[in-house]
Amino acid sequence: SQQGEEDPQALSIQEGENATMNCSYKTSINNLQWYRQNSGRGLVHLILIRSNEREKHSGRLRVTLDTSKKSSSLLITASRAADTASYFCATDGAGSARQLTFGSGTQLTVLP
Amino acid sequence: EADIYQTPRYLVIGTGKKITLECSQTMGHDKMYWYQQDPGMELHLIHYSYGVNSTEKGDLSSESTVSRIRTEHFPLTLESARPSHTSQYLCASRGTGLNEKLFFGSGTQLSVL
Repeated sequence: SQQGEEDPQALSIQEGENATMNCSYKTSINNLQWYRQNSGRGLVHLILIRSNEREKHSGRLRVTLDTSKKSSSLLITASRAADTASYFCATDGAGSARQLTFGSGTQLTVLP
Repeated sequence: EADIYQTPRYLVIGTGKKITLECSQTMGHDKMYWYQQDPGMELHLIHYSYGVNSTEKGDLSSESTVSRIRTEHFPLTLESARPSHTSQYLCASRGTGLNEKLFFGSGTQLSVL
């Protein structure tokens, strides 16, 4: 069963604008992670937020986590054409079934 | 830079052929995973391993099999490929700590004619 659902499915913005992607999940988690995937390639880890954290920053990335709503958001500020990629959230389940389950992804296009 | 490698990068084969997709990592990770991904879609876990001689099936049923004879090596085999197996296959690994990230290989794009 799909743990994470992301919206929007696709997002197109101009260079310099901010991009916000959202992720919702269903079960308890130990942490939530965001990954980036360029077309036809493997995924690259961007940032991890633990279940007891509410916000985290890394460079132009800002991640929030609301465990009461079972949702997270990824904000990319001052976007660049090179940020064009698919972005996936992944939940790291709590308890014995600790595997990463990926959302459906958001395809971000940054226009120059 | 991730030290996890997949070969081949692309593979085009005919129906009925036996194939093995290779995955190796040099990070000493015990946990390794195979995901299947169709273009523009989510990743589906098809196999995972928590160490040598340990393999489990994932959430998505797959006709493929895996083996884990050595820590660094986690190959995936299809005994008789079919067009429905056409997809991208991604291998990943991570450490055994509580908050570990996944390292992915570049993937194998498989096309079965």
